[in-house]
Amino acid sequence: EAGVVQSPRYKIIEKKQPVAFWCNPISGHNTLYWYLQNLGQGPELLIRYENEEAVDDSQLPKDRFSAERLKGVDSTLKIQPAELGDSAVYLCASSLDTGSELFFGEGSRLTVL
Amino acid sequence: AQSVTQLDSQVPVFEEAPVELRCNYSSSVSVYLFWYVQYPNQGLQLLLKYLSGSTLVKGINGFEAEFNKSQTSFHLRKPSVHISDTAEYFCAVTLYSSASKIIFGSGTRLSIRP
Repeated sequence: EAGVVQSPRYKIIEKKQPVAFWCNPISGHNTLYWYLQNLGQGPELLIRYENEEAVDDSQLPKDRFSAERLKGVDSTLKIQPAELGDSAVYLCASSLDTGSELFFGEGSRLTVL
Repeated sequence: AQSVTQLDSQVPVFEEAPVELRCNYSSSVSVYLFWYVQYPNQGLQLLLKYLSGSTLVKGINGFEAEFNKSQTSFHLRKPSVHISDTAEYFCAVTLYSSASKIIFGSGTRLSIRP
């Protein structure tokens, strides 16, 4: 069974440019999470989806970040415009439902120059 | 609100030595507790979890953790480590009432010396 797939694995952009990350969760997993992981720190939740509904986006900086999960499967996370401080690893995770074990993708490492 | 503190950012040990990675949590209500491992350039993987029942929890790769409610701790242990255990380890907590809101600690980097 395929795990959580993220792309791209690495992205280098200049500040003020847009960037998008894509996540394909494990088949049948209703809950999808986007986490931000800064160097030397633990993951911090950005947004959580139950099917196609964003049920917790309180930590998402909505002035520049946006996310969507069309049809309750794949999800994209967008940053526009990117800032230097956005350099980090963006992790996607999925679970069968709320409270179940989280399965993480390998992450997308963003470097903003 | 709940929080998690991992007291050691780095733990160096020799191969085949025992190891303990410390984790303390803060919460006024009952919690679920987890340990995740992150190998270099990989995503996080669940090692073990405490939901209820026995306070000693066994996980994959020979790891175990003990839930201590009075000390609000959930330390991770392994009696004999291997080079392949080199990784970052994250303790995490979530509330019974909000099982989807998982809070992670800052991580402990375990480095194994031959």
